[in-house]
Amino acid sequence: DAGITQSPRHKVTETGTPVTLRCHQTENHRYMYWYRQDPGHGLRLIHYSYGVKDTDKGEVSDGYSVSRSKTEDFLLTLESATSSQTSVYFCAISGDFGTRTPEQYFGPGTRLTVT
Amino acid sequence: EDQVTQSPEALRLQEGESSSLNCSYTVSGLRGLFWYRQDPGKGPEFLFTLYSAGEEKEKERLKATLTKKESFLHITAPKPEDSATYLCAVYGQGGSEKLVFGKGTKLTVNP
Repeated sequence: DAGITQSPRHKVTETGTPVTLRCHQTENHRYMYWYRQDPGHGLRLIHYSYGVKDTDKGEVSDGYSVSRSKTEDFLLTLESATSSQTSVYFCAISGDFGTRTPEQYFGPGTRLTVT
Repeated sequence: EDQVTQSPEALRLQEGESSSLNCSYTVSGLRGLFWYRQDPGKGPEFLFTLYSAGEEKEKERLKATLTKKESFLHITAPKPEDSATYLCAVYGQGGSEKLVFGKGTKLTVNP
């Protein structure tokens, strides 16, 4: 298994509170990604990082911010959580894009409930 | 915009009953098609990557094939432990550096 951990694994929080989810990898991969998975929508990309301090938006980035100060850590922050952000969040990693697109490896997920 | 449609949404098989899952895609310049398996409460597990039409990959009872418009995941003589949701994703030349996922096929194999 790829060395990816996510913390916390479960969290319940109230509307309007800030929340930070952490993804940690031991593979020294350059690319890291945050997805959310919701019934009827499948996996959707929130933000991704292509290096330390290099990040970009995905298709559902509103209400989320990210930071990457070290290769191994990628943080996802909900500045003011809303009920629509109740979801399961997955972190993924991949190697460099050489001549072929690399596969992504996923972490175990964080189940977030916003009440 | 890249799109992925998986069918059927759910499939029930008896142990040993072979079948196929379908992944139809629309993408501007395919740079890779990926198959994942996801068990309840867990993250997706990488199975295969296919890069060009005609390519095939095999792993145990699973075989993935690719044409210019779709991919099939063939399951031969499935066992109950093959029960899971199977996800298909494509990466196109659109330049947005992202995988586009289908909604998955939930496979149940009864003993």
